[in-house]
Parts: sequence; structure tokens; C-alpha cells
Amino acid sequence: GIQVEQSPPDLILQEGANSTLRCNFSDSVNNLQWFHQNPWGQLINLFYIPSGTKQNGRLSATTVATERYSLLYISSSQTTDSGVYFCAVGWGAGGTSYGKLTFGQGTILTVHP
Amino acid sequence: GAVVSQHPSWVICKSGTSVKIECRSLDFQATTMFWYRQFPKQSLMLMATSNEGSKATYEQGVEKDKFLINHASLTLSTLTVTSAHPEDSSFYICSASGAVPRVVQYFGPGTRLTVT
Repeated sequence: GIQVEQSPPDLILQEGANSTLRCNFSDSVNNLQWFHQNPWGQLINLFYIPSGTKQNGRLSATTVATERYSLLYISSSQTTDSGVYFCAVGWGAGGTSYGKLTFGQGTILTVHP
Repeated sequence: GAVVSQHPSWVICKSGTSVKIECRSLDFQATTMFWYRQFPKQSLMLMATSNEGSKATYEQGVEKDKFLINHASLTLSTLTVTSAHPEDSSFYICSASGAVPRVVQYFGPGTRLTVT
């Protein structure tokens, strides 16, 4: 199956700093989603970005599908950004594999005041 | 929009009993629902995929007789952990797709199961 690698595994920042999280995947995908898992376990959708670039406030993401990687940028980080960031990818043109996601191991982000 | 709820948020049960977890899509029709399991400090592991009115498709290594999944309507899927044992203790998360774009999964808040 498809392999998903995220880096770095851990990231510690001071409030106000910028950061880049990376997600590499081993095969072609037609679905890529970034999530933030908050301390209570809820996964919050950040981006659906199988290709291209999107921005939402202080967050932006870029996926280069031909080179099989995606980047999540966090600017001017805040303590509320702390948590685990997951990249998840999906593949399949139909049938039982359509819509399934494989998750990376996540990046644990800690933002200190 | 695209809100998914789960009930209960947490449950404690005794070994040998069964527990049912509900997953509901509140503002869209969920053509497909997914059930994941997450151990502490680990990633999510897909357990099974269910489509409304069809039998669930289980991932390799997941016991279908232990984890019963029912997707009776376009807004409700249930996971029943039968004859639970302490090793079934975990965080169970459901997701649903069907809103636009249809491949995007939206996640419920999760259910923490502790089996004593």
C-alpha cells in the first residue's frame, strides 16, 4: 500500500514563529487532506489539497503531486496551534478503495508563549 | 457545514460486555462512513469502510465478528464492540464523506473506550 511520511516528528516553537511541515507519499493520489488533532482528540479539517496551493488565514498548503509531497505552512504561530498535525492521502478510481485515507505518523507541534 | 457527531464521548465497560458507538452526519448525507482506531501517541488506523445499505469492508487484521458495523441510513453508522476485553480499550473515531467534494472525509470527535 501507499506509504506516507511526515517530518519533522516533533516541533517546538516560540509564539510568533513560522514553520513548515512536510508530507511525502509513495504513489499517485487523488485525495490529500491536512488535519489538526486538538488535545481532546478532535480532527479538524485544514485543507483538502490533492494539488496546487491554498491559503486560509495564517495557514497555507502546497501539494506538488508530480513530486509526491505536500507542505503545510503555519505563520505567526499561536499557543492554540499546538497539537498533532496529520497528513492523509487517498487513492483509487473507484470500487472499495475509493475515498480511503492512509495517515502519516503526524507532527507534534508545541508552541510556547 | 459537514458536521459529524459521535456518541458516547467516553464509555467504561466491564470485560465481556458489548458497547455500541453511534456516528451521525448532521448536515449532509454520508454515502460512505469510515471507522478508525487510535492508540495513545500513534496515528489513526482504518478499521473498516461502510456504505449505506451494504456490508462493511474490513481492513486486514480487523475481526469482523468483534467489531460489528451497521450503516442503516445515510446519516447513521454504528460500531459495536462485542465481548469487549481490556485490549479493546482505545480511542475510536468515525468519519463520513458525501459532502462536496465527495472524497473529503469529515471526522467525529471520537469515543474513548475503557474496558475494565
